[in-house]
Amino acid sequence: AQSVTQLGSHVSVSEGALVLLRCNYSSSVPPYLFWYVQYPNQGLQLLLKYTSAATLVKGINGFEAEFKKSETSFHLTKPSAHMSDAAEYFCAVSLNYGQNFVFGPGTRLSVLP
Amino acid sequence: DTAVSQTPKYLVTQMGNDKSIKCEQNLGHDTMYWYKQDSKKFLKIMFSYNNKELIINETVPNRFSPKSPDKAHLNLHINSLELGDSAVYFCASSQGDAGANSPLHFGNGTRLTVT
Repeated sequence: AQSVTQLGSHVSVSEGALVLLRCNYSSSVPPYLFWYVQYPNQGLQLLLKYTSAATLVKGINGFEAEFKKSETSFHLTKPSAHMSDAAEYFCAVSLNYGQNFVFGPGTRLSVLP
Repeated sequence: DTAVSQTPKYLVTQMGNDKSIKCEQNLGHDTMYWYKQDSKKFLKIMFSYNNKELIINETVPNRFSPKSPDKAHLNLHINSLELGDSAVYFCASSQGDAGANSPLHFGNGTRLTVT
């Protein structure tokens, strides 16, 4: 069975600092990987997705993520945090059959002035 | 032009009542889902429909019954509501026949509070 872990339920960074949100997956076959962002009282929005075309994936709002098969990781980064990045971030996996997405527990990002 | 819309946004009701949440998508997607997000923000899939056919039915009490009148709509009916049903329920859609890399598009959620 596939699963997703996100190290750190809460991450705080200063405005302008590097953002690093961690995601590790467990799957017997290479999965498709996604990062979603959830702003307060809203649904989830797709930030980026990995579909095996390239290991470094660029998404919206300056975020990017790198797929590392050897580490079974798909960490999300942004060079310089902005106050508007404060939100909940979810990593998700989907296998190459069916449409069953499994979400990680989420990481709340706080950006300090 | 809301892509995935759900109504109502807030639902407050008493234990034992029956309630429904409606969801509609105008993206032309063939697959729709219901997810439950608990107070700790954990997201768990409940149901998935592809072209009006149920394809995922996780371990959910049978008090929860999804209904898909057409591939653009997926409603959720809940009987005999319990305190533990309080959560945010998200509807989502995707293009299932595009493969597992087709991302989910979410509605803004329905916050259900059972008192």
